[in-house]
This record gives sequence, structure tokens and C-alpha cells, in this order.
Amino acid sequence: DGGITQSPKYLFRKEGQNVTLSCEQNLNHDAMYWYRQDPGQGLRLIYYSQIVNDFQKGDIAEGYSVSREKKESFPLTVTSAQKNPTAFYLCASSTGTGGNLGNQPQHFGDGTRLSIL
Amino acid sequence: GENVEQHPSTLSVQEGDSAVIKCTYSDSASNYFPWYKQELGKRPQLIIDIRSNVGEKKDQRIAVTLNKTAKHFSLHITETQPEDSAVYFCAASPPPPLSGGYNKLIFGAGTRLAVHP
Repeated sequence: DGGITQSPKYLFRKEGQNVTLSCEQNLNHDAMYWYRQDPGQGLRLIYYSQIVNDFQKGDIAEGYSVSREKKESFPLTVTSAQKNPTAFYLCASSTGTGGNLGNQPQHFGDGTRLSIL
Repeated sequence: GENVEQHPSTLSVQEGDSAVIKCTYSDSASNYFPWYKQELGKRPQLIIDIRSNVGEKKDQRIAVTLNKTAKHFSLHITETQPEDSAVYFCAASPPPPLSGGYNKLIFGAGTRLAVHP
């Protein structure tokens, strides 16, 4: 989906370093999500945000942090506390689910591949 | 919490044959079931989804069936073509919170489909 842009495409992290992955969407979606994908596994939820200035931990939040200062942007920081950061990171967004809308499709960016130097 | 199992992990078919991928879920409250196709190094793309108030949905060569009693759903691809080769992920989603805002998708581990000419 051209409306979700992740950068950079590839990122290398040194020992003890924090790195930040960018995710921007122009779909006017309220909800945004970060997933981690390891080989042979499905996507696992790191953090999600349903509205500006609000975010919640997903299933594997340890060693990660996020912010949601603008509706369009949901950056993910991989901290030095994340001892096994090598993975493919995917950002997604969806419209809100309020009222009777129910669950809405999530649309993904092209991902960032993070490796350790 | 919700748990999704997906089978088989790999599937090899001849061009023109049908392919079937099955997923089971554990939370009977889940009511939204999307399927994603992911080509190597690319973003997952939504190919079809089904809600719990329907038993089957079709889109050209792709169909999804849902059995709520047995808590399983399946993806059917007919007349397979080499360009169908990819990893396919199923997911299940419990109802969003009453306050709305976000979906929580729980993914299966994926099925690598290879279509041979």
C-alpha cells in the first residue's frame, strides 16, 4: 500500500546502540501497529496505537519503545535492551473500529530489515 | 489469549491444481479472519477476509470458508499460477474494544506455497 512508508529499508545496529525505525502514513488512519517477523514465524505485535498520544504494549514490547505525536507518524525505537533485534519489522495501519464498524483490514508498509553489526 | 495454528507449513502444487491452507483458532469470540500474501522481502498484502457472520466468501480464484463451530477457516486457491507462489498468512481477530480504536490480529506461522509450471 503506497500510503504507508517505512524507512530505512535496511538498518544495522552496533552493540549498545539505540536505533529508530520510521513509519509514516497518509491514509488518515487512526490506528497504527508495529510487528516483528522472524524467519519461519508469523508476525508478532510489538506496540499499537489507536490515537495520537496513546499507545499500548503488544505481545513482545520488551526492549522497544514508541511515540505517537502525530496521527501520520509512529516511530519505533529498538533499544540496547533488546538483545536479539535481528528481524524484519513491519508497520501497519487501519481505520478506527468505533461504533459498529468492527474489525478493519490492516495495511502494511514495505518493512525495515534490521541486523546487528 | 487467542492462538492460531496454520497447516501445512509448505505446500507444493503443479500449475493449474488447487491449493488449500487451513487455520484453527482458539478464541471463540474472534470474529474477523483476514488472509495475507507475502512475496519474498515484500510487505504482506491482504488478499481476502471474512467475518464471522458469513460462512464463505469468494473473489475470482480465491475463496475462504469459515466453520465457527469447529473454529477453523481455510483458504482455497483454484487454477494456481506460478505468480501465486508466496508465503500466505492467516490471522484471527477478537472483537475490538467497545471504545473502538484498533484491531488485534493474531497471525499463524505461514504457509510457503510453491506453484511449479
